[in-house]
Amino acid sequence: SAVISQKPSRDICQRGTSLTIQCQVDSQVTMMFWYRQQPGQSLTLIATANQGSEATYESGFVIDKFPISRPNLTFSTLTVSNMSPEDSSIYLCSVGGEGGHEQYFGPGTRLTVT
Amino acid sequence: GNSVTQMEGPVTLSEEAFLTINCTYTATGYPSLFWYVQYPGEGLQLLLKATKADDKGSNKGFEATYRKETTSFHLEKGSVQVSDSAVYFCALSGKAAGNKLTFGGGTRVLVKP
Repeated sequence: SAVISQKPSRDICQRGTSLTIQCQVDSQVTMMFWYRQQPGQSLTLIATANQGSEATYESGFVIDKFPISRPNLTFSTLTVSNMSPEDSSIYLCSVGGEGGHEQYFGPGTRLTVT
Repeated sequence: GNSVTQMEGPVTLSEEAFLTINCTYTATGYPSLFWYVQYPGEGLQLLLKATKADDKGSNKGFEATYRKETTSFHLEKGSVQVSDSAVYFCALSGKAAGNKLTFGGGTRVLVKP
């Protein structure tokens, strides 16, 4: 499976600011995804990051709040904009496996907004 | 749409006890089924998977069998260790949903020595 890294691993930010999270994969992958995991909760898909085109957002998530870039097949960024304490979560990126069904996850970015 | 229901935790066990975490699903077509594990402070790791009916996924002493007739994928381990303390997520993906993962709510397992 691919090796996935995320930066930063954690951050504490003030409300109203923005944070960009990076996701790097050690091999080229077609599918990349961004998830949010609120405290004590399961994972919720934010969007699918498409290489060379705009991300596809899930219901309840909008580009203005969570802009995503995917400049190539090994890298993506997620920005959490104009943050509020409700954005405090773990943000995880994942990539599709070769089987086409499973996904492999990065270690996550733990964000606290004060 | 697709959905996954798993037993709520926390589940507290003694070391060497038998663990079962129930998972049932609703999906169109023939989804693939997964168990992911999240150790404290870490991301999700794929624990095991099954891609068709009657397949048994296994890894690290854990097993789960894809039961189409009961739409279930229960996770079992015969003898748990303290190091198995984690949150376990059942999930499915299918072509009908563009291979997106649908997760259950997660089950926290605490194994005491």
